[in-house]
Amino acid sequence: DAGVIQSPRHEVTEMGQEVTLRCKPISGHNSLFWYRQTMMRGLELLIYFNNNVPIDDSGMPEDRFSAKMPNASFSTLKIQPSEPRDSAVYFCASTTTEQETQYFGPGTRLLVL
Amino acid sequence: DQQVKQNSPSLSVQEGRISILNCDYTNSMFDYFLWYKKYPAEGPTFLISISSIKDKNEDGRFTVFLNKSAKHLSLHIVPSQPGDSAVYFCAAKFAVGGADGLTFGKGTHLIIQP
Repeated sequence: DAGVIQSPRHEVTEMGQEVTLRCKPISGHNSLFWYRQTMMRGLELLIYFNNNVPIDDSGMPEDRFSAKMPNASFSTLKIQPSEPRDSAVYFCASTTTEQETQYFGPGTRLLVL
Repeated sequence: DQQVKQNSPSLSVQEGRISILNCDYTNSMFDYFLWYKKYPAEGPTFLISISSIKDKNEDGRFTVFLNKSAKHLSLHIVPSQPGDSAVYFCAAKFAVGGADGLTFGKGTHLIIQP
């Protein structure tokens, strides 16, 4: 049974470039979450979706960040333009509304030079 | 203002002994608590959880204790094994039932020494 799939696993880009991170949740899960992990702030929630609808995006740091979930099996997190302070590990997680436990993907390690 | 705090960045325990990881929270509206384990270059994996209506939950070598009045929870691992070496995150959510974001502590790096 496949878990949460994230791509790419690693991304190195230059400041000012657009970055797109991708996530495929576990089949049958209807809630999807994007988290970011940094040394300074730890793991923090950016945004989450229920049934493809964004519910809470209060954690999105700036307008440079946007997230979409066009269907139940795919979500993107876009940063445009990227800045060095966006360097972090970005995790996607999914679950169902009947569960408390969230299941995390392996993460995308982003480095913005 | 961190709502979930893990004040020990690291903890070293001898193999076979008990590991105790601590977590404090400030928001009394949190209703459900989870512990996740994380190895390098992997995502966090769920370990054990507890609802605010309970004070203890046990699963094999892992037990979580919740003290609501003190806003404190702890994870006990006994006996500790080398494979337990990882970063452990405490997390909390506001609502039981229904998907909601998790608020994480910064983690405790547990090192099990042979």
